[in-house]
Amino acid sequence: GAVVSQHPSWVICKSGTSVKIECRSLDFQATTMFWYRQFPKQSLMLMATSNEGSKATYEQGVEKDKFLINHASLTLSTLTVTSAHPEDSSFYICSLNRDRAGNTIYFGEGSWLTVV
Amino acid sequence: KQEVTQIPAALSVPEGENLVLNCSFTDSAIYNLQWFRQDPGKGLTSLLLIQSSQREQTSGRLNASLDKSSGRSTLYIAASQPGDSATYLCAVNNQGGKLIFGQGTELSVKP
Repeated sequence: GAVVSQHPSWVICKSGTSVKIECRSLDFQATTMFWYRQFPKQSLMLMATSNEGSKATYEQGVEKDKFLINHASLTLSTLTVTSAHPEDSSFYICSLNRDRAGNTIYFGEGSWLTVV
Repeated sequence: KQEVTQIPAALSVPEGENLVLNCSFTDSAIYNLQWFRQDPGKGLTSLLLIQSSQREQTSGRLNASLDKSSGRSTLYIAASQPGDSATYLCAVNNQGGKLIFGQGTELSVKP
């Protein structure tokens, strides 16, 4: 069965609104989760590392005030796209490790965001 | 900074052919390397993971090799089938599960 649940799978929102995407670990506690973004016809780019109980670590070029990450529990991380614009339309996907080194990595199903 | 490159970007072959997808990376200090499959509009399916100490991994018709010193990995698909049509991504894990992905190879297997 699924180890990671991510939803919504698809979301359409109006420009200027905020959208929250959830990534939930179903099988084990995850102190660290990762968020990636994929633009059409491009590869996945790491956006940030979500750390349970502390601030997320953002990759260079990713606006932390625009992409709010909350990892309030060991099984849930959320990504909120604030004041969304059409250029934020993308595929967002989360992952988590079963072990600290990253030998076993599980991905969510991904979320397609369209901002109109 | 680790960079991952995949060639070719796209590949079209007739059914039954054996094929090789290539992945190269700039920093050889990797922890492991993983190959994924992505179908249009879908998430990722893990195919093979090779630890930095390993040379290859096999699963069914798939064989992945790793030459860490030269910064290269290949994914070999034997007897390709139309159902193999998808985008194949390689990703390098430098540390702690943060993956650096290549741009992918879009494979089309024609019946």
